[in-house]
Amino acid sequence: QVQLQESGPGLVKPSETLSLICSVSSGSISSSSYYWGWIRQPPGKGLEWIGSIYYSGSTYYNPSLKSRVTISVDTSQNQFSLKLSSVTAADTAVYYCARVNIMVRGAFDIWGQGTMVTVSS
Amino acid sequence: DIRMTQSPSSVSASVGDRVTITCRASQGISSWLAWYQQKPGKAPKLLIYAASSLQSGVPSRFSGSGSGTDFTLTISSLQPEDFATYYCQQAHSLPLFTFGPGTKVDIK
Repeated sequence: QVQLQESGPGLVKPSETLSLICSVSSGSISSSSYYWGWIRQPPGKGLEWIGSIYYSGSTYYNPSLKSRVTISVDTSQNQFSLKLSSVTAADTAVYYCARVNIMVRGAFDIWGQGTMVTVSS
Repeated sequence: DIRMTQSPSSVSASVGDRVTITCRASQGISSWLAWYQQKPGKAPKLLIYAASSLQSGVPSRFSGSGSGTDFTLTISSLQPEDFATYYCQQAHSLPLFTFGPGTKVDIK
Protein backbone atom coordinates (compact mmCIF):
# COMPACT_ATOMS: atom_id res chain seq x y z
CA GLN A 1 0.00 0.00 0.00
CA VAL A 2 1.34 3.40 -1.01
CA GLN A 3 2.26 5.63 1.92
CA LEU A 4 3.04 9.33 2.08
CA GLN A 5 5.11 11.03 4.76
CA GLU A 6 5.63 14.75 5.25
CA SER A 7 8.85 16.11 6.71
CA GLY A 8 10.28 19.52 7.48
CA PRO A 9 10.68 22.17 10.17
CA GLY A 10 7.83 22.61 12.59
CA LEU A 11 8.68 26.24 13.27
CA VAL A 12 9.29 28.95 10.69
CA LYS A 13 9.96 32.65 11.32
CA PRO A 14 7.74 35.32 9.79
CA SER A 15 8.87 36.49 6.32
CA GLU A 16 10.92 33.33 5.80
CA THR A 17 10.22 30.37 3.51
CA LEU A 18 8.38 27.26 4.64
CA SER A 19 9.82 24.10 3.09
CA LEU A 20 8.31 20.63 3.28
CA ILE A 21 9.00 17.32 1.58
CA CYS A 22 6.57 14.48 0.92
CA SER A 23 8.17 11.07 0.54
CA VAL A 24 6.23 8.41 -1.35
CA SER A 25 6.84 4.78 -0.43
CA SER A 26 5.62 1.44 -1.78
CA GLY A 27 4.69 2.99 -5.11
CA SER A 28 6.10 5.11 -7.90
CA ILE A 29 5.54 8.83 -8.11
CA SER A 30 5.99 8.54 -11.88
CA SER A 31 2.65 6.89 -12.64
CA SER A 32 0.47 8.56 -15.26
CA SER A 33 -2.64 7.88 -13.15
CA TYR A 34 -1.83 10.31 -10.36
CA TYR A 35 -1.17 13.89 -9.47
CA TRP A 36 0.38 14.79 -6.14
CA GLY A 37 -0.91 17.57 -3.96
CA TRP A 38 -0.49 19.73 -0.88
CA ILE A 39 -3.40 20.69 1.34
CA ARG A 40 -3.33 22.67 4.57
CA GLN A 41 -5.63 23.14 7.55
CA PRO A 42 -5.24 26.05 10.00
CA PRO A 43 -6.08 25.16 13.60
CA GLY A 44 -9.83 24.70 14.00
CA LYS A 45 -10.54 25.50 10.35
CA GLY A 46 -11.25 23.70 7.09
CA LEU A 47 -9.14 22.24 4.33
CA GLU A 48 -7.43 24.45 1.74
CA TRP A 49 -5.90 23.04 -1.44
CA ILE A 50 -2.46 24.63 -1.99
CA GLY A 51 -1.33 23.09 -5.24
CA SER A 52 -0.65 19.96 -7.28
CA ILE A 53 2.09 18.53 -9.44
CA TYR A 54 2.33 15.83 -12.10
CA TYR A 55 5.38 13.59 -12.31
CA SER A 56 6.40 15.42 -15.50
CA GLY A 57 6.82 18.57 -13.40
CA SER A 58 3.65 20.39 -14.49
CA THR A 59 2.35 22.46 -11.60
CA TYR A 60 -1.04 23.91 -10.64
CA TYR A 61 -1.57 26.35 -7.79
CA ASN A 62 -4.40 27.84 -5.77
CA PRO A 63 -4.78 31.37 -7.20
CA SER A 64 -4.88 32.81 -3.69
CA LEU A 65 -1.39 31.45 -2.93
CA LYS A 66 0.13 31.29 -6.39
CA SER A 67 2.54 34.20 -5.94
CA ARG A 68 4.18 32.54 -2.92
CA VAL A 69 4.05 28.81 -3.73
CA THR A 70 6.49 26.54 -5.52
CA ILE A 71 5.92 22.79 -5.80
CA SER A 72 8.54 20.54 -7.35
CA VAL A 73 9.06 16.83 -7.90
CA ASP A 74 12.14 14.63 -7.67
CA THR A 75 11.31 11.35 -9.38
CA SER A 76 14.73 9.86 -8.56
CA GLN A 77 13.99 10.26 -4.86
CA ASN A 78 10.26 9.47 -5.26
CA GLN A 79 9.31 12.66 -3.48
CA PHE A 80 7.79 16.07 -4.05
CA SER A 81 8.20 19.28 -2.15
CA LEU A 82 6.47 22.49 -1.15
CA LYS A 83 7.96 25.94 -0.68
CA LEU A 84 5.84 28.80 0.63
CA SER A 85 7.59 32.15 0.81
CA SER A 86 7.06 35.25 2.92
CA VAL A 87 5.10 33.38 5.56
CA THR A 88 2.99 35.04 8.22
CA ALA A 89 1.06 33.77 11.22
CA ALA A 90 -1.85 33.10 8.86
CA ASP A 91 0.21 30.28 7.31
CA THR A 92 0.27 28.37 10.59
CA ALA A 93 -1.45 25.09 9.81
CA VAL A 94 -1.24 21.34 9.52
CA TYR A 95 0.18 20.63 6.08
CA TYR A 96 -0.84 17.41 4.33
CA CYS A 97 0.50 15.82 1.19
CA ALA A 98 -1.87 13.57 -0.73
CA ARG A 99 -2.27 11.56 -3.91
CA VAL A 100 -4.82 12.63 -6.51
CA ASN A 101 -6.15 9.55 -8.25
CA ILE A 102 -7.44 10.19 -11.76
CA MET A 103 -9.12 6.76 -11.74
CA VAL A 104 -11.41 7.89 -8.91
CA ARG A 105 -12.40 11.14 -10.57
CA GLY A 106 -9.70 13.30 -9.07
CA ALA A 107 -10.23 12.39 -5.44
CA PHE A 108 -7.43 12.51 -2.89
CA ASP A 109 -7.32 8.82 -2.05
CA ILE A 110 -4.15 8.57 0.02
CA TRP A 111 -2.98 11.15 2.56
CA GLY A 112 0.08 11.64 4.68
CA GLN A 113 -0.41 11.97 8.42
CA GLY A 114 0.16 15.73 8.27
CA THR A 115 2.78 17.95 9.82
CA MET A 116 2.10 21.00 11.99
CA VAL A 117 3.95 24.14 10.95
CA THR A 118 3.90 27.16 13.22
CA VAL A 119 4.95 30.59 12.01
CA SER A 120 6.37 32.54 14.92
CA SER A 121 9.46 34.53 15.85
CA ASP B 1 -13.07 29.62 -9.62
CA ILE B 2 -15.55 26.99 -8.46
CA ARG B 3 -16.81 27.64 -4.94
CA MET B 4 -18.28 24.97 -2.70
CA THR B 5 -20.78 25.43 0.10
CA GLN B 6 -22.08 22.90 2.61
CA SER B 7 -25.12 22.79 4.82
CA PRO B 8 -25.62 22.53 7.64
CA SER B 9 -22.32 23.67 9.14
CA SER B 10 -23.01 21.39 12.07
CA VAL B 11 -25.58 18.80 13.03
CA SER B 12 -26.33 17.08 16.31
CA ALA B 13 -27.56 13.54 15.97
CA SER B 14 -27.98 10.31 17.89
CA VAL B 15 -26.68 6.83 17.20
CA GLY B 16 -29.02 5.20 14.71
CA ASP B 17 -30.17 8.47 13.15
CA ARG B 18 -30.20 9.08 9.42
CA VAL B 19 -27.99 12.08 8.63
CA THR B 20 -27.93 14.01 5.36
CA ILE B 21 -25.34 16.64 4.43
CA THR B 22 -25.66 18.87 1.38
CA CYS B 23 -22.90 20.27 -0.82
CA ARG B 24 -23.48 22.84 -3.55
CA ALA B 25 -21.09 23.96 -6.30
CA SER B 26 -21.12 27.49 -7.74
CA GLN B 27 -21.27 26.00 -11.24
CA GLY B 28 -21.99 22.61 -12.74
CA ILE B 29 -19.36 19.99 -11.96
CA SER B 30 -21.10 16.91 -13.40
CA SER B 31 -20.20 14.13 -10.96
CA TRP B 32 -16.68 15.31 -10.17
CA LEU B 33 -17.27 15.35 -6.43
CA ALA B 34 -15.73 13.54 -3.48
CA TRP B 35 -16.62 13.30 0.19
CA TYR B 36 -14.18 12.93 3.10
CA GLN B 37 -14.45 12.15 6.78
CA GLN B 38 -12.00 13.75 9.21
CA LYS B 39 -11.62 12.92 12.88
CA PRO B 40 -9.70 15.21 15.28
CA GLY B 41 -5.96 15.00 14.84
CA LYS B 42 -6.23 12.74 11.80
CA ALA B 43 -5.90 13.16 8.07
CA PRO B 44 -9.09 13.18 6.00
CA LYS B 45 -10.31 9.82 4.72
CA LEU B 46 -11.91 9.38 1.31
CA LEU B 47 -15.48 8.04 1.57
CA ILE B 48 -17.14 8.71 -1.78
CA TYR B 49 -15.78 9.61 -5.22
CA ALA B 50 -17.51 10.46 -8.49
CA ALA B 51 -20.45 11.71 -6.38
CA SER B 52 -21.83 8.26 -5.62
CA SER B 53 -19.08 5.62 -5.75
CA LEU B 54 -18.11 4.11 -2.42
CA GLN B 55 -14.38 3.95 -1.77
CA SER B 56 -13.08 0.47 -1.01
CA GLY B 57 -13.43 -0.44 2.65
CA VAL B 58 -16.00 2.23 3.48
CA PRO B 59 -19.16 0.93 5.19
CA SER B 60 -22.28 0.76 3.04
CA ARG B 61 -24.22 3.01 5.43
CA PHE B 62 -22.46 5.88 3.64
CA SER B 63 -23.91 6.90 0.30
CA GLY B 64 -23.62 9.84 -2.04
CA SER B 65 -25.89 11.26 -4.70
CA GLY B 66 -26.27 14.22 -7.00
CA SER B 67 -24.93 15.69 -10.19
CA GLY B 68 -24.40 19.15 -11.58
CA THR B 69 -24.46 21.59 -8.68
CA ASP B 70 -26.26 19.80 -5.84
CA PHE B 71 -24.96 16.79 -3.94
CA THR B 72 -25.76 14.90 -0.77
CA LEU B 73 -23.92 12.59 1.59
CA THR B 74 -26.18 10.31 3.62
CA ILE B 75 -25.31 8.20 6.61
CA SER B 76 -28.20 5.76 6.88
CA SER B 77 -27.73 4.76 10.51
CA LEU B 78 -25.21 6.83 12.45
CA GLN B 79 -22.64 4.83 14.39
CA PRO B 80 -20.45 6.06 17.28
CA GLU B 81 -17.38 6.10 15.03
CA ASP B 82 -19.13 8.40 12.52
CA PHE B 83 -18.97 11.47 14.73
CA ALA B 84 -16.55 13.60 12.72
CA THR B 85 -16.32 16.47 10.26
CA TYR B 86 -17.27 15.84 6.64
CA TYR B 87 -15.93 17.74 3.63
CA CYS B 88 -16.90 17.77 -0.02
CA GLN B 89 -14.36 18.48 -2.75
CA GLN B 90 -14.80 19.28 -6.42
CA ALA B 91 -12.44 17.90 -9.06
CA HIS B 92 -14.21 19.21 -12.16
CA SER B 93 -11.36 21.66 -12.68
CA LEU B 94 -8.73 18.94 -12.11
CA PRO B 95 -5.90 19.42 -11.34
CA LEU B 96 -7.24 22.46 -9.55
CA PHE B 97 -9.46 21.66 -6.59
CA THR B 98 -11.75 23.23 -4.01
CA PHE B 99 -13.00 21.91 -0.71
CA GLY B 100 -16.26 22.76 0.99
CA PRO B 101 -16.14 24.40 4.44
CA GLY B 102 -17.08 21.22 6.28
CA THR B 103 -19.99 19.86 8.32
CA LYS B 104 -19.42 18.72 11.89
CA VAL B 105 -21.54 15.81 13.07
CA ASP B 106 -21.65 15.63 16.84
CA ILE B 107 -23.55 13.81 19.53
CA LYS B 108 -26.97 15.08 20.50
